[in-house]
Amino acid sequence: RKEVEQDPGPFNVPEGATVAFNCTYSNSASQSFFWYRQDCRKEPKLLMSVYSSGNEDGRFTAQLNRASQYISLLIRDSKLSDSATYLCVLHGSSNTGKLIFGQGTTLQVKP
Amino acid sequence: GAGVSQTPSNKVTEKGKYVELRCDPISGHTALYWYRQSLGQGPEFLIYFQGTGAADDSGLPNDRFFAVRPEGSVSTLKIQRTERGDSAVYLCASSPGTPREAFFGQGTRLTVV
Repeated sequence: RKEVEQDPGPFNVPEGATVAFNCTYSNSASQSFFWYRQDCRKEPKLLMSVYSSGNEDGRFTAQLNRASQYISLLIRDSKLSDSATYLCVLHGSSNTGKLIFGQGTTLQVKP
Repeated sequence: GAGVSQTPSNKVTEKGKYVELRCDPISGHTALYWYRQSLGQGPEFLIYFQGTGAADDSGLPNDRFFAVRPEGSVSTLKIQRTERGDSAVYLCASSPGTPREAFFGQGTRLTVV
């Protein structure tokens, strides 16, 4: 089983739609969680960290469910500029700094 | 510049040659990561440095790959006897520590012909 699993998509949604991605992880000792965004032929960029209590940044909401070992990203009122690949990222465990990436989920927002 | 810098941005080399890829992290960042990414895949972990030492090199695919960070800042990824399968984008990232977020450079696109 992969350490981090994501549905690669693509998710095709109209502008203004609400879309949600999930990401599951296998190591229950994982400490920190992040969502990164990657545009075509560009480097990944941090979108937001994911906290146990859940957190929101404008149209974006991230949540962590430790019991079921998944994190989620919700995007409200999708914009054309949200089209990108969203990468789920986590630190493997408390005794390693290794950042582990999922395959990414591709989002295409259509006019 | 304040970001992570990688050089060269593109490298084309012949099969069997030796290449070096350089990463200049954000000043003061103690953690440095190397990843490689193929089309349609997420970044694949190669090696992680904390200061000068390799804290985790479990992702290096074989002994043709080696990385150093002698002064705890700039890092060099070295690939010997390159193979066509080594063609990918090699990404470097740095972090102020762990378990903190990491910031990426723009990558080096390596093509082995």
